Amino acid sequence: QSALTQPASVSGSPGQSITISCTGTSSDVGAYNYVSWYQQYPGKAPKLIIYEVSNRPSGVSNRFSGSKSGNTASLTISGLQAEDEADYSCSSYTSSIILFGTGTKVTVL
Amino acid sequence: QVQLVQSGAEVKKPGASVRVSCKASGYTFSVYYIYWVRQVPGQGLEWMGRINCNSGGTNYAQKFQGRVTMTRDTSINTAYMELSRLTSDDTAVYYCARLQQNWFDSWGQGTLVTVSS
Repeated sequence: QSALTQPASVSGSPGQSITISCTGTSSDVGAYNYVSWYQQYPGKAPKLIIYEVSNRPSGVSNRFSGSKSGNTASLTISGLQAEDEADYSCSSYTSSIILFGTGTKVTVL
Repeated sequence: QVQLVQSGAEVKKPGASVRVSCKASGYTFSVYYIYWVRQVPGQGLEWMGRINCNSGGTNYAQKFQGRVTMTRDTSINTAYMELSRLTSDDTAVYYCARLQQNWFDSWGQGTLVTVSS
């Protein structure tokens, strides 16, 4: 199974909104609402920011939101802040198998 | 609070094996699956496999079948991942992560494995 497809990089100015896409197939992203998103700073472990497409764990800013349409999931960061500069990865869970996205580097201009 | 603490960095020669440990605390170890994920420098996350910490049953990604072995010791709440026949392509940071239904809610700090002659 191939990795989910994400743009390599996305950038935006402080205060703007950006959206990161995560494209899979009807067998993974499109099959279930088991898409999650992780934020990762250099040299650090990933941190969960969205689970089951659009749910935020306790303590995660409401500037992060998730959605899905067909075989593509999306992460939107609104009111972009300097601290949002990090790598973001999506993942899809299907019958014990985890597929991760290719990863997106977010740059705050 | 839930914590996963991994063993320290390793340097191995090509052809050798490496074993990484992941000690869990703050929850009932046997209730959850532990997944192992690796990240080659500059690349994305890659699923390697998982272990049922209750039964010890495992599932491995096809890419690592025959080279990876995952075990656990419930007496000390620790999961292990052993990777054999290492090559330079295995140089990566290896993470353990706890699966909560269908997402990872807790990650180890990562273990850098460097394969070099």
